[in-house]
Amino acid sequence: KQEVTQIPAALSVPEGENLVLNCSFTDSAIYNLQWFRQDPGKGLTSLLLIQSSQREQTSGRLNASLDKSSGRSTLYIAASQPGDSATYLCAVDSGGGADGLTFGKGTHLIIQP
Amino acid sequence: SAVISQKPSRDICQRGTSLTIQCQVDSQVTMMFWYRQQPGQSLTLIATANQGSEATYESGFVIDKFPISRPNLTFSTLTVSNMSPEDSSIYLCSVPGQRYQETQYFGPGTRLLVL
Repeated sequence: KQEVTQIPAALSVPEGENLVLNCSFTDSAIYNLQWFRQDPGKGLTSLLLIQSSQREQTSGRLNASLDKSSGRSTLYIAASQPGDSATYLCAVDSGGGADGLTFGKGTHLIIQP
Repeated sequence: SAVISQKPSRDICQRGTSLTIQCQVDSQVTMMFWYRQQPGQSLTLIATANQGSEATYESGFVIDKFPISRPNLTFSTLTVSNMSPEDSSIYLCSVPGQRYQETQYFGPGTRLLVL
């Protein structure tokens, strides 16, 4: 059974810092790994999707890497801003879209102005 | 992409009662997923709802507790039956993207508090 772990559970940093969120998964047989952002009352917003054959994806100040063989992914946020404050969720697709996603518990991020 | 709405957005219920959550998608989709997020926990898949067939439930979830309807390709309901305080959670529906390796799209969630 796939299990996803995220470290740290919570993080509070001053504005402008670069930061790294970590995700690990137990079964390397995945189709893709996704990073979501969760804001209260607004559901989940997809940030980045890395296919199993890819090593990284970038979108603006966000960069996600994937090392499938070691079961690890990182989300790098550059020049953090208060608007980045949210819960960041890592999710793994092990069923090609047919079986739903397996989520980690998330990292609750606070960016101090 | 897909735009998903859920009703109600939140509710406070008494134990022993039932609540039906509605999920509406702006396009036709074959599969819809229902997730639960208990306080401080990750999202956990409850079941997959396919139009025209019985929902498929994950380990630990049963139809008597979480009956699901899927009357057409744009709509689904999840009922939380005989509620207890342990059912206090956020319930989210989602649909897969239409293209290969496209992300899943999520509704805004229904926040349920059971007293």
